[in-house]
Amino acid sequence: QVQLVQSGAEVKKPGASVKVSCKASGYTFTSYGISWVRQAPGQGLEWMGWISVYTGVTNYAQNLQARVAMTTDTSTSTAYMELRSLRSDDTAVYFCARRGVGASPFDPWGQGTLVTVSS
Amino acid sequence: DIQMTQSPSTLSASVGDRVIITCRASQSISRWLAWYQQKPGKAPKLLIYKASSLESGVPSRFSGSGSGTEFTLTISSLQPDDFATYYCQQYHSYSTFGQGTKVEIK
Repeated sequence: QVQLVQSGAEVKKPGASVKVSCKASGYTFTSYGISWVRQAPGQGLEWMGWISVYTGVTNYAQNLQARVAMTTDTSTSTAYMELRSLRSDDTAVYFCARRGVGASPFDPWGQGTLVTVSS
Repeated sequence: DIQMTQSPSTLSASVGDRVIITCRASQSISRWLAWYQQKPGKAPKLLIYKASSLESGVPSRFSGSGSGTEFTLTISSLQPDDFATYYCQQYHSYSTFGQGTKVEIK
C-alpha cells in the first residue's frame, strides 16, 4: 500500500537547522510530488511548500521561502525538508504528503515528525 | 494569497445529528477544494476532493458541495468515529487550509 514514513522527533536550539526525511513506498516515486505541512501545538495546518519529484521544481510558502529547502533522492524514494535559522515558533509537527500532478489534494500523509525548538 | 475561512470553529453535536461545516474562499477557486479529517495525534485523512468527490473508502454519510467561493461539508448522520477536527483546503493556487472545525460531543 502507499505509505510515507517520516524520521523521528528532533530537539534543536534556536538558530540551528533541522532536516526531516519522508520515505515513500508502494508507488512510483517520480510520478508524484511531495508536499510539506506543519502544525504548531494546538493550532491548524500550515502549508509549507511542495516539490515535483520528477522535475525537482519547488514552490515554497512566502513566509518560509528564505529558510526552507525541499529536496528528493530518487534512488531511495525519500524526500527531505530542511528548515534553517530555527525559532521557537517553528516548534511543530511536520508532515509530508503525496501530491499528484497539477491541481491535486494531499493523500496519503506521513505520520508526522515533532520538531521542538528550545534553548 | 487565497484565504480560507471555516465556520463554525467548534460544533457540539450528538450521534445521529446532521452536521454542516462551511468554508469560504477569499477568491474563486473553482472546485479545487478538499476536506480532511484529523484526530488527535494523527495525520489528516482525505475525505473529499474536487469539492464533491468522495475519496475511496470514506463512508457515504460524508458529502461535499459548492464551487467558486462557498463550500460545505455535510455529515448526514454523525457517528461516534466522526468526532474530530475537519479542515478545508484550497489547491487552486498553491495551497491554503482553513482554520479547522472541531466537532465535539454535545
